[in-house]
Parts: sequence; structure tokens; C-alpha cells
Amino acid sequence: QSVLTQPPSASGTPGQRVTISCSGSSSNIGSNAVSWYQQLPGTAPKLLIYTNSLRPSGVPDRFSGSKSGTSASLAVSGLQSEDEADYYCAAWDDSLNGYVFGTGTKVTVL
Amino acid sequence: EEELVESGGGLVQPGGSLRLSCAASGFAFKTYGMNWVRQAPGKGLEWVSYISSSSATKYYVDSVAGRFTVSRDNAKSSLYLQMTSLRVEDTAVYYCARDSLGFTWGQGTLVTVTS
Repeated sequence: QSVLTQPPSASGTPGQRVTISCSGSSSNIGSNAVSWYQQLPGTAPKLLIYTNSLRPSGVPDRFSGSKSGTSASLAVSGLQSEDEADYYCAAWDDSLNGYVFGTGTKVTVL
Repeated sequence: EEELVESGGGLVQPGGSLRLSCAASGFAFKTYGMNWVRQAPGKGLEWVSYISSSSATKYYVDSVAGRFTVSRDNAKSSLYLQMTSLRVEDTAVYYCARDSLGFTWGQGTLVTVTS
């Protein structure tokens, strides 16, 4: 049950900045923290951003997150070929009593 | 090094059962809530279930409630997912994930439900 909406795709050339949106509601993004995950082809997801805008150690500062109201966004600056992956947002949903993930965005480096 | 290793996946017929396991190491397993998340072939991520550190609280996505049961053994640093009445649409890679300011993931185990 994907109740967080993301654009299906995004692209950019090396060095460019790409932004991915994540739209939710008052019961999820509006009242809980958002996290972002990167999934490279054939691998498990990896935590990129937690608590809306914080980066775990080891994640480059090219990745940044923000949240406003019932939406969140992930920005990738200085795009690199290794950033080509699927990206997902996630948040707890108070109405569903469970986590909800975004629909996923495939980032292509042109 | 913190690690989560899933096992127990395989091929099963519709209506069958399967028990997944997740072995944790490198961190204090008993202090963290844990989740199961699945990903059908070529599809996005879907949260399946959550269990609190003490097992007092459990949540399930509607599509598996009543068929799947999450449990844990803190003494063995292990998480389990008992899956019954399996359906074709349960076919997916199942990941266990530590719940701590975002998810830390295992490598996944594939469950295929087919006749």
C-alpha cells in the first residue's frame, strides 16, 4: 500500500542536481519523520537520510533531505554515475499503524 | 560489524506455509524494534510487519494480517516471520530491517509462491 507518491523517474547529467519529491498526508509525513533509501540494481536498500534531513555516517553530503508540511524531498547534487538507482521515501502512518513507502523513483544519469 | 542475515525462503505452493528467520549480529538486538519489508519482482518496497523490542507490540499490513505472524527471540538475536495460507501475490524478496532512525537492512530472502 504505497500512500506516498513519488515521480517514477528523474534524470540528469553528471554534476547536475536532481530533486525527488515525496507527497503524503497529515497521518504520515505530516506527523512523522521521513527517511530515504537508495537501492542499487540487484541489492538491498540502503539508508540515505533519516529524521527528514540527517545523513548516516558514510553517506556523502551530496545527498540532502528536507520536509515541509505533508511533503518531503531528496536532493542529489553533483550527480555521479554511481547514483543511478531507485530511491524510496518512507514514514510511519498513524492511521494505518504501519510504515508506508513511496512509489519509488528511478534516477538515470545521462 | 552490524549484520542482518535472512534465511528460510524458497518455493512453496499456494496455501502453503513458510518460516523466515533473520539472524542479527554486531549490535544489541534486544533493544531495537524490527520490521519485515518485502519487494515483489520488479516492484517497489512494501512494509509487512513490525515487532517492538519486547514483543509487546506487533503490527501488520492489512494484506497479511491473520496469515503472517512476527516473533523474535532476543536470547538468540533472531527475528522470525511465520507465513501461512500463502498466495501467489506474496511472492517477493523479504528483508528484515532494524528500526532505528531509519531502517538498516539485511540482504533479503526470496519467497516464491507458485503451483
